[in-house]
Amino acid sequence: SQKIEQNSEALNIQEGKTATLTCNYTNYSPAYLQWYRQDPGRGPVFLLLIRENEKEKRKERLKVTFDTTLKQSLFHITASQPADSATYLCALLNNNAGNMLTFGGGTRLMVKP
Amino acid sequence: DAGITQSPRYKITETGRQVTLMCHQTWSHSYMFWYRQDLGHGLRLIYYSAAADITDKGEVPDGYVVSRSKTENFPLTLESATRSQTSVYFCASRGTGGQTEAFFGQGTRLTVV
Repeated sequence: SQKIEQNSEALNIQEGKTATLTCNYTNYSPAYLQWYRQDPGRGPVFLLLIRENEKEKRKERLKVTFDTTLKQSLFHITASQPADSATYLCALLNNNAGNMLTFGGGTRLMVKP
Repeated sequence: DAGITQSPRYKITETGRQVTLMCHQTWSHSYMFWYRQDLGHGLRLIYYSAAADITDKGEVPDGYVVSRSKTENFPLTLESATRSQTSVYFCASRGTGGQTEAFFGQGTRLTVV
């Protein structure tokens, strides 16, 4: 069966450090992988998209890698700040499945000052 | 106002009643989605629509009905609400082609008593 797995345990890090979140998937052939941020009581907000033929994408302090052989994406936040505390969701767009966007369970990040 | 809006924000209903959650977007996006979010399950796709008058089931469609007579509206109806449908519901939309990121509404918290 198809699965998108993110670490369900919260990630606690110190301000200034790099946070690394993992997204693993099975039985998908995604054309795109996306990362979203969700704050409590709010809807997810799009952060970054990476295509299957891209290995890395950067946006300001954010970096995403995509390894289609390992079926894994890593999401990095460098120089983390308390304001980065949120839940981060990965999502796959599968062109072979009606263009559905399917989400992982999310990982909660807590950045301590 | 431009964007995607859901109504109501909060709803309490009784078991067995019919309830409709509304979703409206102003971008003329082709795709619209309904997700439910529960602790331990992340975001699960209920139904999606690729265009007006075209809808399809997602991962957890049982007990829900959707319609899309106009591009901008995508209401979700619970025909006979059950306690297991207590959840936070998110509507999302996205464009076609390179516009693959999804834009989410603020969510509807539904409680079935």
